[in-house]
Amino acid sequence: QVQLVESGGGVVQPGRSLRLSCAASGFTFSNYGMHWVRQAPGKGLEWVAATSYDGDNKYYADSVKGRFTISRDNSKNTLYVQMNSLRAEDTAVYYCAKGSLPWGGGHSYCFDYWGQGTLVTVSS
Amino acid sequence: QSVLTQPPSVSGAPGQKVTISCTGSSSNIGAGYDVHWYQQLPGTAPKLLIFGNSNRPSGVPDRFSGSKSGTSASLAITGLQAEDEADYYCQSYDSSSGGVFGTGTKVTVL
Repeated sequence: QVQLVESGGGVVQPGRSLRLSCAASGFTFSNYGMHWVRQAPGKGLEWVAATSYDGDNKYYADSVKGRFTISRDNSKNTLYVQMNSLRAEDTAVYYCAKGSLPWGGGHSYCFDYWGQGTLVTVSS
Repeated sequence: QSVLTQPPSVSGAPGQKVTISCTGSSSNIGAGYDVHWYQQLPGTAPKLLIFGNSNRPSGVPDRFSGSKSGTSASLAITGLQAEDEADYYCQSYDSSSGGVFGTGTKVTVL
């Protein structure tokens, strides 16, 4: 069965950095686009970033462009997001989600599997 | 600043039908991109409920159905049950913004 397990969340001061990881199993990781989706406390879902199946193409929401970097290691079946220059408004539960297609953008993908999420709190 | 608009809440008695709308624009739903729906029970991760406008993943009851027309889509829940009380989100792709979600709708079973 498909499993996505996020790690790396915690409390971090504004302006600092954090890296989240997502360990995937139960499917051929290297065949699918992967995504990060976040949810601020009491708020709705926000797509954050995506990577294509091979890591060659990456896509970002305007709210994180230039600060967040998504990456993947297909040899380790692991997805990452490096978050720099963190702001209070980045406080959220961050979900790793498997895309239904190989691509991370330009197509009608859905998120067919989700991890349990990891909480990132940006506060001084 | 979601680009897909949903009603904040809908409610219905057990056994009734409720419908949730998802309104987009010419750069997302109206451009032909599919609409997908997710159910989020309190304290849990979202779960895919409808994909490709009207298709149910294995295990999703046929009480849930989806449709799409023009720049909008809808999720219908017939025979409402207490366990359907949750938040529901539509999702599509936007040519300017990438992956986009709706504002979310809380379904309350009276």
